[in-house]
Amino acid sequence: EAGVTQFPSHSVIEKGQTVTLRCDPISGHDNLYWYRRVMGKEIKFLLHFVKESKQDESGMPNNRFLAERTGGTYSTLKVQPAELEDSGVYFCASSPGRPGNTIYFGEGSWLTVV
Amino acid sequence: SQELEQSPQSLIVQEGKNLTINCTSSKTLYGLYWYKQKYGEGLIFLMMLQKGGEEKSHEKITAKLDEKKQQSSLHITASQPSHAGIYLCGAEGGGTSYGKLTFGQGTILTVHP
Repeated sequence: EAGVTQFPSHSVIEKGQTVTLRCDPISGHDNLYWYRRVMGKEIKFLLHFVKESKQDESGMPNNRFLAERTGGTYSTLKVQPAELEDSGVYFCASSPGRPGNTIYFGEGSWLTVV
Repeated sequence: SQELEQSPQSLIVQEGKNLTINCTSSKTLYGLYWYKQKYGEGLIFLMMLQKGGEEKSHEKITAKLDEKKQQSSLHITASQPSHAGIYLCGAEGGGTSYGKLTFGQGTILTVHP
């Protein structure tokens, strides 16, 4: 069974450009999460989808970040326009429907804004 | 908001030695996850604890959650170079926020052959 997959694995863009990160959760997982780790800080929650609905987006830093999960399958996280402080690792995770289930993480998308 | 403190921040041990990593929470832990990360890779799930006093083991790694559910420890017996990496604890806040994890800063483990 395929795990959580993320694309691209690495991305280097210039300040002001747009980047779109994609996450394919484990098949059948209703819950999809985005997390981020910036240099020197802890991994921080960004948002949580249940199927196609945003359950909690309290961690989204500002309106330059837009997450979507059309059809309740894969998700995208767009950063527009990117700023230097957006550099870091963006992790996607998924879990089945019930609380208390294992949360599986992808390998992350490493974003560098120059 | 919940905060997690991991100790030590880094650890260097000789192969074969035992070691313990601690994770202390400022609030009650409703779900405590342990993950391992190798540089440039994703988070690998190790174990999840939910009940006070719970203990789980997998191969040479044992994780415990104290009775008060505010501290967890991860113990590695007879460490090997393959155990090297960053160990992270993550906690759920309870209620409807399942899956919304607060993470500690991580413990960097180095195992010398």
